[in-house]
Amino acid sequence: KAGVTQTPRYLIKTRGQQVTLSCSPISGHRSVSWYQQTPGQGLQFLFEYFSETQRNKGNFPGRFSGRQFSNSRSEMNVSTLELGDSALYLCASSSIQGRAGTVRFFGPGTRLTVL
Amino acid sequence: DAKTTQPPSMDCAEGRAANLPCNHSTISGNEYVYWYRQIHSQGPQYIIHGLKNNETNEMASLIITEDRKSSTLILPHATLRDTAVYYCIVVNYGGSQGNLIFGKGTKLSVKP
Repeated sequence: KAGVTQTPRYLIKTRGQQVTLSCSPISGHRSVSWYQQTPGQGLQFLFEYFSETQRNKGNFPGRFSGRQFSNSRSEMNVSTLELGDSALYLCASSSIQGRAGTVRFFGPGTRLTVL
Repeated sequence: DAKTTQPPSMDCAEGRAANLPCNHSTISGNEYVYWYRQIHSQGPQYIIHGLKNNETNEMASLIITEDRKSSTLILPHATLRDTAVYYCIVVNYGGSQGNLIFGKGTKLSVKP
């Protein structure tokens, strides 16, 4: 099976712009979650989607949003970019939602640089 | 906050076993212990997980103490490619299922 794919892999934006990142989960996986990784804060949970519904949300401002499509692919959007949004954005997929024994598999990430 | 405590760094000689400890003294009965690793700037890679019993797969072994308050990840024959940050994570069965709470992990350096 192909793993989790994320596009684009690298992105450079300027302050005030918006950006959309895409994640395709492993075939058959219906749960997608997003994480932000920065040197200062480490890996932090953004949100999780299952069956096109947001099931869980981390402590991030409303500029960070996401959605999931019927084919389980997910996008996250960051509006009005700030310098501090520069980070590695990671997507993880799992087969079902709501089970701690279900493994989440991560994609390679999208490296966003805000200038 | 992460519910686990790990040493910030460890060294291991190539070909030797790497034993990475993790303390999770507040773990509850329905919480799993997961291990992931992250090689520089890549996405975290799943290694192994367990609830009560020791587990082994092609990558590693997970030893969980009887009281479940600590665990050890064992890489039986470490190679240079095992150099990475290793994260021990406790996942709550009934809690926020999408939310893996990562701590700072252990930076393992495998040396020739």
